[in-house]
Amino acid sequence: QQQVKQSPQSLIVQKGGISIINCAYENTAFDYFPWYQQFPGKGPALLIAIRPDVSEKKEGRFTISFNKSAKQFSLHIMDSQPGDSATYFCAASKTQGGKLIFGQGTELSVKP
Amino acid sequence: DGGITQSPKYLFRKEGQNVTLSCEQNLNHDAMYWYRQDPGQGLRLIYYSQIVNDFQKGDIAEGYSVSREKKESFPLTVTSAQKNPTAFYLCATWDRGAGANVLTFGAGSRLTVL
Repeated sequence: QQQVKQSPQSLIVQKGGISIINCAYENTAFDYFPWYQQFPGKGPALLIAIRPDVSEKKEGRFTISFNKSAKQFSLHIMDSQPGDSATYFCAASKTQGGKLIFGQGTELSVKP
Repeated sequence: DGGITQSPKYLFRKEGQNVTLSCEQNLNHDAMYWYRQDPGQGLRLIYYSQIVNDFQKGDIAEGYSVSREKKESFPLTVTSAQKNPTAFYLCATWDRGAGANVLTFGAGSRLTVL
C-alpha cells in the first residue's frame, strides 16, 4: 500500500530527445505527487509536482502526466539536454500529515 | 546564507564505531527528516521529527538514533548495531506552514565503513 515503483532504473537519451520516466503507486489516499532532481554529490531538489485534480502539468521542458484510474504518473523531459543528466525520483504522499514515499530513482544520462 | 548544513561531507569509520552526522537548519522549519540513499533503492526514511523533543521511527530505524533538542538541529548517530552503514545520508526539512509536502534537502554526508 505504501510503495511507489519507478522505472526505468537508468536511461540514456540523445540530446534533443524525449526522456520518459514512469511511476506507479498503490495507495489511493495519496494526493500529492512530486518529482525531485538530484545531481551527483548533491541533495535532491523539487522539480515539479502535481495533484490528482489535473491530468497534466507543464513547467518549461518538464511535464508530469497523471492517470488516476491507473494509479500511474510520469515525467517527460522534452528537448533533453546534457545538463539534465541527473537522478530523478518520483514520490507520493497524502497532503495532510503524510510522509513522502520515494520511488527507487532513475539515473538519466543525456548524450551530446 | 539560508538552508540546511550537513557535516561532515565525507566520513570514514571503522567497524564497531559509532558516528554522528550533523544537520543544522536556519529555515525555521518545524519538521526534520533523515533519509538513507543506496543505489537502486531510492530514499529510505530513517527517522523524522515534527517538533522539538519528539521524533518518530521511519522505515529503517534499526541501528540508528536521533535527538531533537533544538528546532535548528537534528543529529543522526549511526551505531555499531547498523549492519551495513556505508551509504549517502540526507537530511531534509519541511515547512508545515506551507501546506504542501515540499522537502528541502541538505547536500548529504557520505559515510564509508572501512
